[in-house]
Amino acid sequence: EAGVTQFPSHSVIEKGQTVTLRCDPISGHDNLYWYRRVMGKEIKFLLHFVKESKQDESGMPNNRFLAERTGGTYSTLKVQPAELEDSGVYFCASSQGTNNEQFFGPGTRLTVL
Amino acid sequence: GQNIDQPTEMTATEGAIVQINCTYQTSGFNGLFWYQQHAGEAPTFLSYNVLDGLEEKGRFSSFLSRSKGYSYLLLKELQMKDSASYLCAVRVLLTGANNLFFGTGTRLTVIP
Repeated sequence: EAGVTQFPSHSVIEKGQTVTLRCDPISGHDNLYWYRRVMGKEIKFLLHFVKESKQDESGMPNNRFLAERTGGTYSTLKVQPAELEDSGVYFCASSQGTNNEQFFGPGTRLTVL
Repeated sequence: GQNIDQPTEMTATEGAIVQINCTYQTSGFNGLFWYQQHAGEAPTFLSYNVLDGLEEKGRFSSFLSRSKGYSYLLLKELQMKDSASYLCAVRVLLTGANNLFFGTGTRLTVIP
């Protein structure tokens, strides 16, 4: 069974540009989470989807970040416009139920210059 | 807020036993997870505790004391491939959601 996949693995953009990250969860997992790890800090929660609905987006840093999960399958996280402090590794995770373990993808390393 | 502490780095010898501690202060505690993460790879699930006590899974064991806000991950018969970061994560039940809050991770180096 395929695990959680994320695309791209790396992205280097300039400040002010737009970037869209994609996450494909494990098939059949209704719960999808986005996390972010900035340099030297812990992994931090961004938001949680249950199917196509946002269950909790309390971790989203500001309105430059927009997450979608149309159709309840894959999800995208768009950063527009990107700022220097947005650099970090963006992880996606999925789980079958909210009480089940979360399976993580390999992350997208975003560098904003 | 949530506060999770674990040592930044540890070094241990191949074949030995190492204990990685994690302390937490959270509201709405709903379980504690340990993940292993090799550089550039996805965090992979190791263990889960929601009740007090020890959970054993092969060479890995995890312990939880909810009253003390304390957990440890025990790795036995260390192998070189165990060199990785070990992440302690607390699941917190907030307004119906179950989110994970992570510590900064403990980078374990296994030496021959």
